Amino acid sequence: ETGVTQSPTHLIKTRGQQVTLRCSSQSGHNTVSWYQQALGQGPQFIFQYYREEENGRGNFPPRFSGLQFPNYSSELNVNALELDDSALYLCASSGSGEQYFGPGTRLTVT
Amino acid sequence: EDQVTQSPEALRLQEGESSSLNCSYTVSGLRGLFWYRQDPGKGPEFLFTLYSAGEEKEKERLKATLTKKESFLHITAPKPEDSATYLCAVQDSGNTPLVFGKGTRLSVIA
Repeated sequence: ETGVTQSPTHLIKTRGQQVTLRCSSQSGHNTVSWYQQALGQGPQFIFQYYREEENGRGNFPPRFSGLQFPNYSSELNVNALELDDSALYLCASSGSGEQYFGPGTRLTVT
Repeated sequence: EDQVTQSPEALRLQEGESSSLNCSYTVSGLRGLFWYRQDPGKGPEFLFTLYSAGEEKEKERLKATLTKKESFLHITAPKPEDSATYLCAVQDSGNTPLVFGKGTRLSVIA
């Protein structure tokens, strides 16, 4: 059974640029959730995708957008990057139960 | 609005010194309470799910318990490898997103 994977591991971007983060869900899981985790804080929910449709969104602006593909992998896109977007971005996949997290992507915006 | 508060923020223990971490929560209808372990710069690792008051689960030196207002993670005779941040999260009814606390940072000194 393959776990949740994310790419890239680390990323450095300049304010105003755009970034795409990728996530492959665990085998058999059809739901992917994205979270943002600032240093010293718990993860904050960005949005969730279920069978390629957005299925819930947290308190994040529209410049945070996403996609889910037929194989249930997912992308998180962030436009017009701001310094406060620097964080660990976590992807979690789930079937009907617990959410299992990937290793995260560390995004630094300078 | 669902809320999760974890205490203490940080805990330093000597190897073998047992203790407990607290997670207080408010939620309209609890579907599940989750405990995760997170090592620095990594994604959260699933530990336990608790569904109803009175439920207990154990794994090696860890035991999680649940009441109607809080959960405890008991650590018995901890070892240095137990050092990590422990996160608590709640999920409302349905496949809603997890709401996390800020975590307890545990350090176990040999």
